[in-house]
Amino acid sequence: DAKTTQPPSMDCAEGRAANLPCNHSTISGNEYVYWYRQIHSQGPQYIIHGLKNNETNEMASLIITEDRKSSTLILPHATLRDTAVYYCIVHVTGTASKLTFGTGTRLQVTL
Amino acid sequence: DTAVSQTPKYLVTQMGNDKSIKCEQNLGHDTMYWYKQDSKKFLKIMFSYNNKELIINETVPNRFSPKSPDKAHLNLHINSLELGDSAVYFCASKASHRADSTDTQYFGPGTRLTVL
Repeated sequence: DAKTTQPPSMDCAEGRAANLPCNHSTISGNEYVYWYRQIHSQGPQYIIHGLKNNETNEMASLIITEDRKSSTLILPHATLRDTAVYYCIVHVTGTASKLTFGTGTRLQVTL
Repeated sequence: DTAVSQTPKYLVTQMGNDKSIKCEQNLGHDTMYWYKQDSKKFLKIMFSYNNKELIINETVPNRFSPKSPDKAHLNLHINSLELGDSAVYFCASKASHRADSTDTQYFGPGTRLTVL
């Protein structure tokens, strides 16, 4: 699985959009980009994933560059409850696939 | 309705003891995992089972023995506990062979193991 690089921490004001970047320059053609988050030692929670196209769901949007070497997770209106560690993971899907967690980005949402 | 549940939530024990952590999922998934998160917050996969068969074993000491009595359960038994086993252990599950290639894993709330 390709490695990812994320900033260790970011701050965001409540109500503003939080844009979390991720570099995955060695991503291969069959690897998906997944985002999970972990809120204060709870179990990680799935947010969104994509292969090539931008994706949006009720939680967030995922913007993947055309060359697929980087992506951005967007939380459109961050709230205090979005304070968490966000993990960007790239991997090939399948029965024997596994998630390799890096150090992630600690997002602090403030008033 | 808890999708992935673990028991116990907290476990405090002495070095050398043997303990088990249980995991159950009611999502109808056929693949289950155990992850370990150490004090530095690194989250690493330990094992994966698919339809009760071991498919991933990440060079975990053989003191750790996962057991899957059925698709909905994956228990973790640890023999001769050591101080370094202190961590939070997370169970997870996912559906396999999805036509849409979704590979989402659903995690339990974690079991905090403290070895004294």
